[in-house]
Amino acid sequence: NAGVTQTPKFQVLKTGQSMTLQCAQDMNHNSMYWYRQDPGMGLRLIYYSASEGTTDKGEVPNGYNVSRLNKREFSLRLESAAPSQTSVYFCASSEFGTGAMNTEAFFGQGTRLTVV
Amino acid sequence: AQSVSQHNHHVILSEAASLELGCNYSYGGTVNLFWYVQYPGQHLQLLLKYFSGDPLVKGIKGFEAEFIKSKFSFNLRKPSVQWSDTAEYFCAARTGGFKTIFGAGTRLFVKA
Repeated sequence: NAGVTQTPKFQVLKTGQSMTLQCAQDMNHNSMYWYRQDPGMGLRLIYYSASEGTTDKGEVPNGYNVSRLNKREFSLRLESAAPSQTSVYFCASSEFGTGAMNTEAFFGQGTRLTVV
Repeated sequence: AQSVSQHNHHVILSEAASLELGCNYSYGGTVNLFWYVQYPGQHLQLLLKYFSGDPLVKGIKGFEAEFIKSKFSFNLRKPSVQWSDTAEYFCAARTGGFKTIFGAGTRLFVKA
């Protein structure tokens, strides 16, 4: 099983450029997430989508937008990249509900983004 | 605000030493708790999880964690670490909703 697939794996942007990080999951999960990982700060939630058609801000949403394209896909867009957005970005998915519906978050391999 | 605190940022142990990593969360309601591990250059993988029932949870690779509700804690333990346990460990909590909040992580280095 592919699980959670992110593209690209690496990206270098110039300040002010835009880009979209793609994420797809094949586990039929309702919930999807975007995190950024910075040294000493762990993973911080940027945006999440509880279910298809809904998105909500996480801890650090400024400078980002998201689209839940369908149940499988959840993209993250940087409209005007800044050096402070240099980070490793992880997409994740999970199922949240009662009993056997509950699962942990499954993560993609990450995107290492550098903004110069 | 909901938060997860990990007490140790860096831990250095010799092989065969015992490990305990502290984790506390701030939320008074129903909570799902997780420990994830991230090996160098890899994505996060689940070590163990607590949803309900027995508060002593056993995970992969000999790890276990104990949920103590009165202390809002979910400490990770392993009786005897190996060099291959060198990694970063993250505690996480999902609290009454869809968001999973992570701690800052603990970098473990095991000396051979």
